Amino acid sequence: RKEVEQDPGPFNVPEGATVAFNCTYSNSASQSFFWYRQDCRKEPKLLMSVYSSGNEDGRFTAQLNRASQYISLLIRDSKLSDSATYLCVVKGQAGTALIFGKGTTLSVSS
Amino acid sequence: EAGVAQSPRYKIIEKRQSVAFWCNPISGHATLYWYQQILGQGPKLLIQFQNNGVVDDSQLPKDRFSAERLKGVDSTLKIQPAKLEDSAVYLCASTPLRGSATEAFFGQGTRLTVV
Repeated sequence: RKEVEQDPGPFNVPEGATVAFNCTYSNSASQSFFWYRQDCRKEPKLLMSVYSSGNEDGRFTAQLNRASQYISLLIRDSKLSDSATYLCVVKGQAGTALIFGKGTTLSVSS
Repeated sequence: EAGVAQSPRYKIIEKRQSVAFWCNPISGHATLYWYQQILGQGPKLLIQFQNNGVVDDSQLPKDRFSAERLKGVDSTLKIQPAKLEDSAVYLCASTPLRGSATEAFFGQGTRLTVV
């Protein structure tokens, strides 16, 4: 079983749509969780951290369920500029590296 | 603040040749990572340094890959000899602290094509 699993998509949605991405992780000792965004032929960049209480940043909402080892990202009112690959990222205890999922590709069309 | 610098941006070599990549992390960042990203995949950790010491190199193919960070600042990753399956983007990243939920900052990567 892979450490971090994501549905690779692609997700093709029209502008204004709401889209949700899911991710599961295998290591129950994981301590930190993130969503990174990667544009085509660019480096990954942090989109947002994910907290157990859930957190929101504008149109983006992230949720974490530690019991189910499940992470989600909800994007509301999709924009053309949201087209990218979204990487689910998990980190273990202090001193360990980021573990990336394969990424989910989103394409928003007008 | 200057970002993570990597060079070269692109490299094409023949199989069995050698290649080296260079990375200069953000000033003051103690932790440096090298990741390999094959097309259609997420980044996969190759090696993690804390200052000039290796923290994790469990996924580094040590028969052909080597990396060093001699003075705890910049780092080089070498492949010798290269195989076709080494074609990928090699990403360097750095973080300011060893622990905690700190953001990793990535360089633009070196795109390697082995023919």
